Amino acid sequence: DAGITQSPRHKVTETGTPVTLRCHQTENHRYMYWYRQDPGHGLRLIHYSYGVKDTDKGEVSDGYSVSRSKTEDFLLTLESATSSQTSVYFCAVGQAYEQYFGPGTRLTVT
Amino acid sequence: AQRVTQPEKLLSVFKGAPVELKCNYSYSGSPELFWYVQYSRQRLQLLLRHISRESIKGFTADLNKGETSFHLKKPFAQEEDSAMYYCALSEGLGAQKLVFGQGTRLTINP
Repeated sequence: DAGITQSPRHKVTETGTPVTLRCHQTENHRYMYWYRQDPGHGLRLIHYSYGVKDTDKGEVSDGYSVSRSKTEDFLLTLESATSSQTSVYFCAVGQAYEQYFGPGTRLTVT
Repeated sequence: AQRVTQPEKLLSVFKGAPVELKCNYSYSGSPELFWYVQYSRQRLQLLLRHISRESIKGFTADLNKGETSFHLKKPFAQEEDSAMYYCALSEGLGAQKLVFGQGTRLTINP
C-alpha cells in the first residue's frame, strides 16, 4: 500500500463548515495528489504537490485548498463545504508513470 | 486538452467469455496510457501500462495511435476480474499528472 494512510476515513459534515482531510505517506515520495471520485466522472485531480510548500491546481480545484508543510503530509481543505463536494476523496503518491493510492475518505455534506 | 473516454459505464460478461473494455483518448502529443483497477474493498492500483507491453492477470492492451484507442482485453474472463477499471493518460515520459476516464464497472457472471 506504499505506506499511504488517509484520515478520517468517513466524515459527515454540514454545509458551510470547513473540513480538512489528511494524507500521510511513509516512503518519502516527492509527488502527492488529491483526487475526487464521482459516478460518471471517474477520478478528477483536485490539487497536487511536487515538494514541500510546492503545490498546483488540478482540474477541479475551485472550493479546495491544500498545504504541504512536511514531505509526509498533504492536507486538503474544503473552505466552506457544499453538497456538491459530497464524494470519495483519494490521495495518491508517485509520478504519472505509477501512482499509489490511499484507501479513500468518504465525505458527505448535508 | 487531454481527454479520456470510456464509453461503457457497465459491462457484464459470462465467465470464460472474452472481455474488451474500451478506452479512447484525445491528445495531440505522444501520450502514455495506463489501466488502473479497483477490486471490491481494495485500493486503486495500476494494472498495466502500454510502454511495458506486458500482460498482467491475462489482460493486454495495445495502443492504437491511428484510432486513438487503448482497449483492454482478456480472452477468457474469470470471476475475480469483476472490478472497476479506469483508463488513464499522461502527457509522456516525465509527466507528473494523470487524466482518468469515467471508469467501467465489469461484472463477470458465473
